[in-house]
Amino acid sequence: SQKIEQNSEALNIQEGKTATLTCNYTNYSPAYLQWYRQDPGRGPVFLLLIRENEKEKRKERLKVTFDTTLKQSLFHITASQPADSATYLCALANHTGFQKLVFGTGTRLLVSP
Amino acid sequence: SQTIHQWPATLVQPVGSPLSLECTVEGTSNPNLYWYRQAAGRGLQLLFYSVGIGQISSEVPQNLSASRPQDRQFILSSKKLLLSDSGFYLCAWRPSGDPYGYTFGSGTRLTVV
Repeated sequence: SQKIEQNSEALNIQEGKTATLTCNYTNYSPAYLQWYRQDPGRGPVFLLLIRENEKEKRKERLKVTFDTTLKQSLFHITASQPADSATYLCALANHTGFQKLVFGTGTRLLVSP
Repeated sequence: SQTIHQWPATLVQPVGSPLSLECTVEGTSNPNLYWYRQAAGRGLQLLFYSVGIGQISSEVPQNLSASRPQDRQFILSSKKLLLSDSGFYLCAWRPSGDPYGYTFGSGTRLTVV
């Protein structure tokens, strides 16, 4: 069956450290993968998109890697801040059906001062 | 600039009652439109998506339906709500064509009692 797996346990890190979140997928052939941030009671907010032929994307303190051999994406937040505390969602679109995005369950990040 | 409006923000409905949630997008034309549902502590489940007026794709068989009567209007409906319909309903849009990040509305918290 198709799965998008993110660590269900919260990730606790100290301010200033780099947070690394993992997204693994099974039985998908993604055309692209996206990362979103979601705060409690709010809709997700788009952060980054990476295509299947790209290895890495950066945006300010954010970095995403995409390894189609390992079927994995890593999401990094450098110099993390308490304001980065939120749930981060991985989502992908298959080659067949690229019009729709399928989401993982998300990983909660807690950054302590 | 583009904006997305979703209402109502919260809704408490009895079992067996009808449902109508509305979503409109401003500042763009021919958007792809989506309805997602997020159950408590769960990931986002794609319910319906539309790539044009009158074109609706259903992802999950259930007692919900969707319609797109105008280019930038997307409606989620039910004739008779079930307890299991409770959840956080999110409307989203993205430009048609090349992959883009999705922009989500603020969501509707539906409680069926």
